Amino acid sequence: EADIYQTPRYLVIGTGKKITLECSQTMGHDKMYWYQQDPGMELHLIHYSYGVNSTEKGDLSSESTVSRIRTEHFPLTLESARPSHTSQYLCASSRLAPYNEQFFGPGTRLTVL
Amino acid sequence: AQTVTQSQPEMSVQEAETVTLSCTYDTSENNYYLFWYKQPPSRQMILVIRQEAYKQQNATENRFSVNFQKAAKSFSLKISDSQLGDTAMYFCAFRVDSNYQLIWGAGTKLIIKP
Repeated sequence: EADIYQTPRYLVIGTGKKITLECSQTMGHDKMYWYQQDPGMELHLIHYSYGVNSTEKGDLSSESTVSRIRTEHFPLTLESARPSHTSQYLCASSRLAPYNEQFFGPGTRLTVL
Repeated sequence: AQTVTQSQPEMSVQEAETVTLSCTYDTSENNYYLFWYKQPPSRQMILVIRQEAYKQQNATENRFSVNFQKAAKSFSLKISDSQLGDTAMYFCAFRVDSNYQLIWGAGTKLIIKP
């Protein structure tokens, strides 16, 4: 079944650790996105990609980085986690024209101690 | 600047009632696409309904319908016969034809009371 997956679902980690949040989709979508969302709050776009080897920063400044080596995979990396990175991270991908509506993964809830 | 405003931070209604969530947006573009998303507590964000700006007919999906007023730049969501499972955050969003990124509202927390 075509879907979008995120792992881990929950992560508690100490300050200074390097972490990678995984996102994979089996829908063949070329566009993928990472959002940061505090509980019950609005979404902030932090990274997006319109295809392999193409990545851009979003509206919200983030210390994370992303890569897009394969169409289906769009991991997000934090080189040195800090308590200010505590949040929920949502991955999404979008389908073809005209609507390009986004489909979301279940999210990763990150807590940095 | 393109913006989305959801003026109701929180609403609550009794089960089986009808509720309308408001959304206004601002853009100078003529063609764009509007969306309502639902995010249940601790669950995945899902698309509820979508509307293309140059289609005058309001979109409907079962108990969910929109009232799209292009001149007023308004895109409200009506939920009929509300159910407990409708309890969620609801986000209004749109994108213009020339950009794949979505512009998001701050969300409305909807609580359906038994």
